[in-house]
Amino acid sequence: TQLLEQSPQFLSIQEGENLTVYCNSSSVFSSLQWYRQEPGEGPVLLVTVVTGGEVKKLKRLTFQFGDARKDSSLHITAAQPGDTGLYLCAGGGTSGSRLTFGEGTQLTVNP
Amino acid sequence: DTGVSQDPRHKITKRGQNVTFRCDPISEHNRLYWYRQTLGQGPEFLTYFQNEAQLEKSRLLSDRFSAERPKGSFSTLEIQRTEQGDSAMYLCASSLDEDYGYTFGSGTRLTVV
Repeated sequence: TQLLEQSPQFLSIQEGENLTVYCNSSSVFSSLQWYRQEPGEGPVLLVTVVTGGEVKKLKRLTFQFGDARKDSSLHITAAQPGDTGLYLCAGGGTSGSRLTFGEGTQLTVNP
Repeated sequence: DTGVSQDPRHKITKRGQNVTFRCDPISEHNRLYWYRQTLGQGPEFLTYFQNEAQLEKSRLLSDRFSAERPKGSFSTLEIQRTEQGDSAMYLCASSLDEDYGYTFGSGTRLTVV
């Protein structure tokens, strides 16, 4: 069974601070995605990484896929209250295959 | 394109009743996935379809659960003889064969009382 562990589980910070969320597994994944979910809504895809060592930037968000494709991190610079939400990492095999999700990191950014 | 639509958004049912949820994927997406999510947890895989073929079912999908996608378009998820432990958010997602990520619907929140 492939498991993804996210840390921290909860994170509460002040506006303007930086933060990093981690996603770790003992399994190798062909791809890894990060999603953001707001209460009462479905997750929204932020990024997909498929190459070991890959780094992608999306405005203030930086995503990294580990060299061995077993782990990933999400770094947010100068967090804003609008970044508040549940951040989920998800690992998958080939394209179109099912995803295994981590338990999520609940981020709260206080004004 | 209105994205992935799920109906109903909320369902309250008494224990022992049957419920059915519907998912309309993005029209050109041939893959459709069902997940279940409880409070504070990540989504758990239930089953997925490629066109009308059900390719994989999770062990979580007991014999009380059944999913169909008869014409390769919309899908239904039925839960028979509901139990309180079935209370959760049921999420549907769709994608193309070549996609790694999914587009999720807003989910159906089921409460069994």
